[in-house]
Amino acid sequence: GQQLNQSPQSMFIQEGEDVSMNCTSSSIFNTWLWYKQDPGEGPVLLIALYKAGELTSNGRLTAQFGITRKDSFLNISASIPSDVGIYFCAGQLNAVSGGGADGLTFGKGTHLIIQP
Amino acid sequence: KAGVTQTPRYLIKTRGQQVTLSCSPISGHRSVSWYQQTPGQGLQFLFEYFSETQRNKGNFPGRFSGRQFSNSRSEMNVSTLELGDSALYLCASSFAGSQETQYFGPGTRLLVL
Repeated sequence: GQQLNQSPQSMFIQEGEDVSMNCTSSSIFNTWLWYKQDPGEGPVLLIALYKAGELTSNGRLTAQFGITRKDSFLNISASIPSDVGIYFCAGQLNAVSGGGADGLTFGKGTHLIIQP
Repeated sequence: KAGVTQTPRYLIKTRGQQVTLSCSPISGHRSVSWYQQTPGQGLQFLFEYFSETQRNKGNFPGRFSGRQFSNSRSEMNVSTLELGDSALYLCASSFAGSQETQYFGPGTRLLVL
């Protein structure tokens, strides 16, 4: 089946530093999504990418959909304490128009720990 | 708009029992997907329902089943619980499914003893 390789597994950084994480896949995806999950909660959508090459920002977050459709990265600039959490990439291979939503394939997550 | 809600939030069962979890999607969303999250396997897709019909299914045994009602609310059922079924079960909803972003609920944490 499809697998997503997300790296790094964890990051220990100082407050104010920039953060970069990425996901690669052996399969093509039509949609890439980035989620953040806090303890005891469900994943919260950060950024959605729908076109190869697309670069999208959401505040201090920037994500890109790789040209090959097999990878994506997420950057967080000037990290702050509330950025702590687990970040997941997810790929979706949509069915043809009019079809159903395929399940999301998730990476294993990047644990972000920020030292004040 | 209210988000995706899941009940109960926490559940403790014993091996061999069955359990039913409930999910209410965001108002207007017609697609509901279920995921299992464990430390070892991460987030894995269980199944997706749209207009009361299962459209997609992940690689889980038949003990895992679900259904969707006419108001788009969904339930999932796990029969003959095993210790390995202990997990956070997440429900996600989207408007129509196809290339629509999925929004997650807070999950139901199931502990099987």
